Amino acid sequence: DAGVIQSPRHEVTEMGQEVTLRCKPISGHDYLFWYRQTMMRGLELLIYFNNNVPIDDSGMPEDRFSAKMPNASFSTLKIQPSEPRDSAVYFCASSRQSSIQYFGAGTRLSVL
Amino acid sequence: GENVEQHPSTLSVQEGDSAVIKCTYSDSASNYFPWYKQELGKRPQLIIDIRSNVGEKKDQRIAVTLNKTAKHFSLHITETQPEDSAVYFCAASIGGKLTFGQGTILTVHP
Repeated sequence: DAGVIQSPRHEVTEMGQEVTLRCKPISGHDYLFWYRQTMMRGLELLIYFNNNVPIDDSGMPEDRFSAKMPNASFSTLKIQPSEPRDSAVYFCASSRQSSIQYFGAGTRLSVL
Repeated sequence: GENVEQHPSTLSVQEGDSAVIKCTYSDSASNYFPWYKQELGKRPQLIIDIRSNVGEKKDQRIAVTLNKTAKHFSLHITETQPEDSAVYFCAASIGGKLTFGQGTILTVHP
């Protein structure tokens, strides 16, 4: 398996623009997680899905953030409108039956 | 919710020495405790994990201990090598949801 695949790897955008991050989990995994990593706040869980259903979105910072999982092999994290404080590395991870989480390579987002 | 505290935030050792990183958690319902290693610019990668029904687990130079009563767990790396230099994160899990510690920057000097 190719592992968790995220795209794009890098995204540079201007404040106010919409940003969409994409994730393909490992085939057969039923959990999908979105994390944000910054120097100040470390690794934060934003939201996670089980069998494509959002289970806990308490980590989503505000209404500008939304996440979807339309099927077992694809998820998106959208920020609209983006702000400079959203600049971070966003990781997607997946696991089977809430066991070991495997991380994607991450998307480095810079909002100017 | 769960809260995980990790210490120290930075750790510097000489090659061949041992390194110990400690974490405490707040929710006694946590039942799974993984440790991740993250090299600069890379993704976090699992290096060892332990479940709440086990007190200790070892994999070559790496070991993890868990004290459920005190709600703390530790990572032990023996015979450290320069390639062990990285950021190490502990985490505690309830129902698959991980809460991470703030990380420890480990530097191993040749």
